[in-house]
Amino acid sequence: KAGVTQTPRYLIKTRGQQVTLSCSPISGHRSVSWYQQTPGQGLQFLFEYFSETQRNKGNFPGRFSGRQFSNSRSEMNVSTLELGDSALYLCASMRGGPPLSGYTFGSGTRLTVV
Amino acid sequence: QQQVKQSPQSLIVQKGGISIINCAYENTAFDYFPWYQQFPGKGPALLIAIRPDVSEKKEGRFTISFNKSAKQFSLHIMDSQPGDSATYFCAASPNYGGATNKLIFGTGTLLAVQP
Repeated sequence: KAGVTQTPRYLIKTRGQQVTLSCSPISGHRSVSWYQQTPGQGLQFLFEYFSETQRNKGNFPGRFSGRQFSNSRSEMNVSTLELGDSALYLCASMRGGPPLSGYTFGSGTRLTVV
Repeated sequence: QQQVKQSPQSLIVQKGGISIINCAYENTAFDYFPWYQQFPGKGPALLIAIRPDVSEKKEGRFTISFNKSAKQFSLHIMDSQPGDSATYFCAASPNYGGATNKLIFGTGTLLAVQP
């Protein structure tokens, strides 16, 4: 059974640019969430999508956005990159229906902003 | 109120010993408490999780103890092995399985098991 696939694994961008990260959830999983992981702030919730609808959003500026497609694949976009956006971005998927299961995380995309 | 406080920040345990990591929360709306294990270069992996109607859950060498009145929960790793050396995160979620599945993570505990 394939896990959660995130692409690319590593990315280097220049301040002011924008970036799009991709996540393919486990087959049959309809809930996809994104998290930012940094040494200083730890793991922080960005947003959750379920059946192409954003259900919840964390405390991040509007530069962070996402979407989910009909096949449950998800993308997140960060515009006008800042140095502080350098982080590991993690995608996690969950079946989204009973019985409840935990989130399965991908290995993440390491974004470096220079 | 949305925070989950985790301690200790780091932990060194001898092989065969018991590793204990503690977490505390304030928000009584939290109803799902998972523990994740993360190795360098990998995403967090779910170890074990508990709902507040149960005081203890055991899976292999991993046990969660949950104290609802104290709003605390802990992870015990019995017979700790060098392969358990990783960062451990507790987390909590309100209304899990409902309208949202947001996880609020603790700050992490770096566990080193010495051979």
